[in-house]
Amino acid sequence: EAGVTQSPTHLIKTRGQQATLRCSPISGHTSVYWYQQALGLGLQFLLWYDEGEERNRGNFPPRFSGRQFPNYSSELNVNALELEDSALYLCASSLVGWGQAFFGQGTRLTVV
Amino acid sequence: DAKTTQPNSMESNEEEPVHLPCNHSTISGTDYIHWYRQLPSQGPEYVIHGLTSNVNNRMASLAIAEDRKSSTLILHRATLRDAAVYYCILREDAAGNKLTFGGGTRVLVKP
Repeated sequence: EAGVTQSPTHLIKTRGQQATLRCSPISGHTSVYWYQQALGLGLQFLLWYDEGEERNRGNFPPRFSGRQFPNYSSELNVNALELEDSALYLCASSLVGWGQAFFGQGTRLTVV
Repeated sequence: DAKTTQPNSMESNEEEPVHLPCNHSTISGTDYIHWYRQLPSQGPEYVIHGLTSNVNNRMASLAIAEDRKSSTLILHRATLRDAAVYYCILREDAAGNKLTFGGGTRVLVKP
């Protein structure tokens, strides 16, 4: 069974541009979570989607947004990129209720 | 957010047990205790979780204090592959299923 897949693996953008990151959850999982991990730092919670709706949001500015599609895949959009947005962005999925979450390998976003 | 406190790092010898402590003195009655680990250049991997009773699975054991203010993850026989950052996390239902990761404990396994 395929795990959580994220694309692209690496993404390089210039300051001010927009970035779109994609996540495909494990089949049957309805919840998708996004986390940001800056170099050498811990994981910061970004967003939680379930059944197509945003259920919870971390302490990030509105230029971080996303959505979940009917097939439960998800997109994370980061507008007006700043250098500090350079990080590993991790997606996780679970059955609703987060008994056990499965993480993808992440998208490494570099803003230059 | 309910917080957890873990030592920054621990060392162990291969084939020996590793006991990773976690303090969570502000835990509420409905918060589950989760452990994840992150190997270098990989996403976090689920290890174990529990509420009140001790839990065992093929990867590890979780010992939860009677007052639930602390817990210990036990790796029974450390291998080189167990070298990772281990995160103790509270799943807070009141916060909408958000998992808040702390700094974690970096485990070094020596051959």
